[in-house]
Amino acid sequence: NAGVTQTPKFRVLKTGQSMTLLCAQDMNHEYMYWYRQDPGMGLRLIHYSVGEGTTAKGEVPDGYNVSRLKKQNFLLGLESAAPSQTSVYFCASRSTPGRAVEKLFFGSGTQLSVL
Amino acid sequence: AQSVTQLDSQVPVFEEAPVELRCNYSSSVSVYLFWYVQYPNQGLQLLLKYLSGSTLVKGINGFEAEFNKSQTSFHLRKPSVHISDTAEYFCAVSGGSSASKIIFGSGTRLSIRP
Repeated sequence: NAGVTQTPKFRVLKTGQSMTLLCAQDMNHEYMYWYRQDPGMGLRLIHYSVGEGTTAKGEVPDGYNVSRLKKQNFLLGLESAAPSQTSVYFCASRSTPGRAVEKLFFGSGTQLSVL
Repeated sequence: AQSVTQLDSQVPVFEEAPVELRCNYSSSVSVYLFWYVQYPNQGLQLLLKYLSGSTLVKGINGFEAEFNKSQTSFHLRKPSVHISDTAEYFCAVSGGSSASKIIFGSGTRLSIRP
């Protein structure tokens, strides 16, 4: 049982380049999330999804797009990377909200640098 | 919209001393509250959560938190810390009009002095 897997783990981009981060979960969770972590700012929600084919904006969605074509995958895209997008990105999936077992399962993170 | 405020960005304490990490949230309706911990160079893991019922919640590694609805707070406590508790701690909230979202605070870095 792999849990939540993020690829790649590290990436360096030049300003204006594009890339896609992949998140895969094998727990059959409906809810999935993308966060970015910056020093002193905690985790900020970029986009989230409550099921296959659905996506919604979080706190800091500008400059990012997402897709959830399959339940197990949640993709985060940067169309034209900017230095302000240098960050550590975490994907998470969530077991059923409100149940005793509820929690977020996090991937190991992607360290992205935009030069 | 939901928001979470962690009042202390850093908390230094001596080993075996008690610690309290403060968290306040803003929501006028029912919420779920969480504390997550991130050890150095690792991902996040759940310490404890409040969904409903008893306002005193016990978690892993000897941590506990108390939900106080009137104060809109969910402070994390441990009576005696260990060097291994050195980590960053995040409070998070879900519920209300944005029940699908989980919003995190800015984090509190706990450093333990021997």
